Amino acid sequence: GAVVSQHPSRVICKSGTSVKIECRSLDFQATTMFWYRQFPKQSLMLMATSNEGSKATYEQGVEKDKFLINHASLTLSTLTVTSAHPEDSSFYICSARVSPFGGYTFGSGTRLTVV
Amino acid sequence: DAKTTQPNSMESNEEEPVHLPCNHSTISGTDYIHWYRQLPSQGPEYVIHGLTSNVNNRMASLAIAEDRKSSTLILHRATLRDAAVYYCIQGALQGAQKLVFGQGTRLTINP
Repeated sequence: GAVVSQHPSRVICKSGTSVKIECRSLDFQATTMFWYRQFPKQSLMLMATSNEGSKATYEQGVEKDKFLINHASLTLSTLTVTSAHPEDSSFYICSARVSPFGGYTFGSGTRLTVV
Repeated sequence: DAKTTQPNSMESNEEEPVHLPCNHSTISGTDYIHWYRQLPSQGPEYVIHGLTSNVNNRMASLAIAEDRKSSTLILHRATLRDAAVYYCIQGALQGAQKLVFGQGTRLTINP
């Protein structure tokens, strides 16, 4: 089936640095991708909706200048966590809908640890 | 905000059927019912989705109440690999509309 490939699966960075997470749609075009964050023992929280060729739409309370989203092509969306702090440590997951009436497919997630 | 309610946890035995309930009393006529499951340290996995009629696939069955205010995900013969958090989500009928996750049901399967 259709796959969203997410990289890296795990990253450790120092406080103050930036980290980029990539999500690629394989075998389908994703004009829209969704970015979620998940803290331990909690559910997924939607951060933003990424739209190809236009600005992302952020959920209330999510800092757009801290979580930069770029969706420059129909198969690639990136999330950059800028000036990362330990509280940004989390599991980040992307998602896309394969077809207009179909289910959604999710990336395998990125475990970010900020030290 | 999530619009569905599910039990926090359920437990079943291996090789037995499992019925996972979900209430979605505010569902509109244009909302699908989606089910996803998540294993530890993995992204969610699509299970099944439906609109009005009951749906079957190789993973599970989805039984939707006639008034659409509730549904039940049925795993016909649970295995240990079915242990996961199961999320029931009401989502837009068409297009790339966002899915809002609730707390889900943590399913434990006993050997």
